[in-house]
Amino acid sequence: SQQGEEDPQALSIQEGENATMNCSYKTSINNLQWYRQNSGRGLVHLILIRSNEREKHSGRLRVTLDTSKKSSSLLITASRAADTASYFCATDAHMFSGGYNKLIFGAGTRLAVHP
Amino acid sequence: KAGVTQTPRYLIKTRGQQVTLSCSPISGHRSVSWYQQTPGQGLQFLFEYFSETQRNKGNFPGRFSGRQFSNSRSEMNVSTLELGDSALYLCASSLVSGNIRTEAFFGQGTRLTVV
Repeated sequence: SQQGEEDPQALSIQEGENATMNCSYKTSINNLQWYRQNSGRGLVHLILIRSNEREKHSGRLRVTLDTSKKSSSLLITASRAADTASYFCATDAHMFSGGYNKLIFGAGTRLAVHP
Repeated sequence: KAGVTQTPRYLIKTRGQQVTLSCSPISGHRSVSWYQQTPGQGLQFLFEYFSETQRNKGNFPGRFSGRQFSNSRSEMNVSTLELGDSALYLCASSLVSGNIRTEAFFGQGTRLTVV
């Protein structure tokens, strides 16, 4: 099963509004990463937050991580039409069965920003 | 430096045929992971190769296989194609130190259509 689950599955907002996406995961992790995908193309890395960090910023992006709740959120402030894309969280996850970590993705949130 | 290169970009195959997809990672990256993405779905982990060895494998049938060469280039093969194998296949390379990875860099993907 998927390691990460994003919420909501789809989000529709107006330009200038903030967009918040949430991600939950199941196992312990080294880090959590957020990616963006435009129209079925390759994914682009946005931000990485380590398991010992609680908050990280990059431009209009703010990511929080709560390892006790196994959850993360991505906030995009002052959204633009160009932010329209799918957003995925991914965990560098320790597997229940042991062995090497995997980078596991959630199902993603489809964000639509309307002019 | 050059990004991750996947070839071919598009493929149309007939049920029962087999297909080989190629991925050239970023120079210096020894980890290559493969993912399958179907419409509206998240990324399903196929397998990861590191220094020519398969480190992890997802829950896919044995028809899906891969390998990695000494120059870190990787190929994945799907035999006896089924209609349900139609998907965008994504390759990602990353730096891995021990059991911790940094961000993943994705290729543009190979869109496989099975008819």
